[in-house]
Amino acid sequence: AQSVTQLGSHVSVSEGALVLLRCNYSSSVPPYLFWYVQYPNQGLQLLLKYTTGATLVKGINGFEAEFKKSETSFHLTKPSAHMSDAAEYFCAVSDRGGSEKLVFGKGTKLTVNP
Amino acid sequence: DVKVTQSSRYLVKRTGEKVFLECVQDMDHENMFWYRQDPGLGLRLIYFSYDVKMKEKGDIPEGYSVSREKKERFSLILESASTNQTSMYLCASSLRLAGRSDFGPGTRLLVL
Repeated sequence: AQSVTQLGSHVSVSEGALVLLRCNYSSSVPPYLFWYVQYPNQGLQLLLKYTTGATLVKGINGFEAEFKKSETSFHLTKPSAHMSDAAEYFCAVSDRGGSEKLVFGKGTKLTVNP
Repeated sequence: DVKVTQSSRYLVKRTGEKVFLECVQDMDHENMFWYRQDPGLGLRLIYFSYDVKMKEKGDIPEGYSVSREKKERFSLILESASTNQTSMYLCASSLRLAGRSDFGPGTRLLVL
């Protein structure tokens, strides 16, 4: 069975600082990997995804993530945090069979301090 | 852009009531999903459907049922609402093999 672990339920950074949100997965075969963002009182918005090809994936709003198979990790980074990045971030995996069922981590709430 | 809409943003119901949550997508997606979101638990899959009249249980189906009579509409039914079903419910849809799901805005349900 697949599972996702997000290290740190809350992360706080200063505006302009590096954002690093950690995600490790467990899967018998390399899955599809996703990061979603949720702003207050809204649904989930896809930030980026890894399916095949280049392991460094660029997403919206300046975020990127790197798939490291040897470490079973898919950490999300942004070089310089902006106040508008304050939100909850979810890492998720799905199998490659086409069902698109997602298994989510428990989420990391990002606070950006002025 | 895919649009996934949910019938209500906020809903208040009484224990024992039958509750219907409706989800509609406008992009002819085969797959539709219902997730439940609780603080500290992330999102968990309740049910999903990969075609009209087809459904499969997710990780937490107890106390819920679903209906998909038309491709664009997927309903979640709480047969007899209980206070432990107070939660945020998110609907999603996807094309098969697309490698992504699109989410609705969510319905925040309070069961008193």
